[in-house]
Amino acid sequence: GQNIDQPTEMTATEGAIVQINCTYQTSGFNGLFWYQQHAGEAPTFLSYNVLDGLEEKGRFSSFLSRSKGYSYLLLKELQMKDSASYLCAVIGYNKLIFGAGTRLAVHP
Amino acid sequence: DGGITQSPKYLFRKEGQNVTLSCEQNLNHDAMYWYRQDPGQGLRLIYYSQIVNDFQKGDIAEGYSVSREKKESFPLTVTSAQKNPTAFYLCASSIVSGRGDYGYTFGSGTRLTVV
Repeated sequence: GQNIDQPTEMTATEGAIVQINCTYQTSGFNGLFWYQQHAGEAPTFLSYNVLDGLEEKGRFSSFLSRSKGYSYLLLKELQMKDSASYLCAVIGYNKLIFGAGTRLAVHP
Repeated sequence: DGGITQSPKYLFRKEGQNVTLSCEQNLNHDAMYWYRQDPGQGLRLIYYSQIVNDFQKGDIAEGYSVSREKKESFPLTVTSAQKNPTAFYLCASSIVSGRGDYGYTFGSGTRLTVV
């Protein structure tokens, strides 16, 4: 079976750091994506991990542990515009499967 | 510019009618995908196609049909058998299926409302 779990909602304060976790059990593994999505829009690419370790891109970092079936997205120096849904997605055999997404609300 | 075009952006249909959503890409990608998204939910895979004239069911294929007669086109038909068709539909493509290093490209989506 295939299962991707992430928290439904999170709140954080502007300027703070937030970590969004994702655990997965999938048939095959060929990489993990993080996307940002605003309501009614297409997902926007944030990061891609295929090997264990940390990938850093500006204010955003993503970590992967394949042995634990675990990833996290780290957002630093939060801004109000970071309020959005964050989707974890795993490439199994030939297809990209999404988790339900985490709605992040950033407060002043 | 290369990309994926989904049309129309908003679509209204009466209950019991079939409706076809368009997805066209000029990226020369082999693989194409259709996802459905309900409010507050993630994306669920309806159908995907790894190559022309071939497609496979995803997790929620019941009530939907697709065709892949041309590399650049992957239309989705929402049939009257789909019990709750009102949703946001996203089309995506990738160079090949099963690899993430080249990324996935998404269309801007079609919001279908059945009244």
